Amino acid sequence: KAGVTQTPRYLIKTRGQQVTLSCSPISGHRSVSWYQQTPGQGLQFLFEYFSETQRNKGNFPGRFSGRQFSNSRSEMNVSTLELGDSALYLCASSGAGENEKLFFGSGTQLSVL
Amino acid sequence: DQQVKQNSPSLSVQEGRISILNCDYTNSMFDYFLWYKKYPAEGPTFLISISSIKDKNEDGRFTVFLNKSAKHLSLHIVPSQPGDSAVYFCAASSISGSARQLTFGSGTQLTVLP
Repeated sequence: KAGVTQTPRYLIKTRGQQVTLSCSPISGHRSVSWYQQTPGQGLQFLFEYFSETQRNKGNFPGRFSGRQFSNSRSEMNVSTLELGDSALYLCASSGAGENEKLFFGSGTQLSVL
Repeated sequence: DQQVKQNSPSLSVQEGRISILNCDYTNSMFDYFLWYKKYPAEGPTFLISISSIKDKNEDGRFTVFLNKSAKHLSLHIVPSQPGDSAVYFCAASSISGSARQLTFGSGTQLTVLP
């Protein structure tokens, strides 16, 4: 079965702009999580959605938001981009009873100039 | 405050030898631990996990050890192969709100030299 799909793969934006990233989870998975990866910082948790509801949120400013649709697909939005938002954004899905075992997509590499 | 720490950013090992990757945690509420492997331009992939009720879990060449009193876990790879060269992330799981949440370390770049 198909894995987690993230689009676009690469994105270049300028400061002040906004961006929307998309994630399609593995078929049947209802939980979708988003992580930010920067060099030396590991994976920082952004938020997690389950059945269109945000269940958990990390320590990121309100400029970072997300949503999940009825088909479990998820989008992440970052408004008023800052240089420090340049990072690899990873989406992961998990199945019922497997909250710990995340399946990751290849990520969207965002560069803010 | 980093609750999961991987203090070695990089590790080089000769092919055929043992690789030992370490991870420390501070939150005693963590009750499940995982290791992920990440190649460049790919997302992390699950490698092996261990529940806090165990102190060892083995899967082929990979073994994870958990020392709860020291809040320390380690991943052993024996024998190491060049294809094992990747970034390894340690992760710890706890209940947060209505769901479990994973907290990741900063990763260790393993290089296996032929």
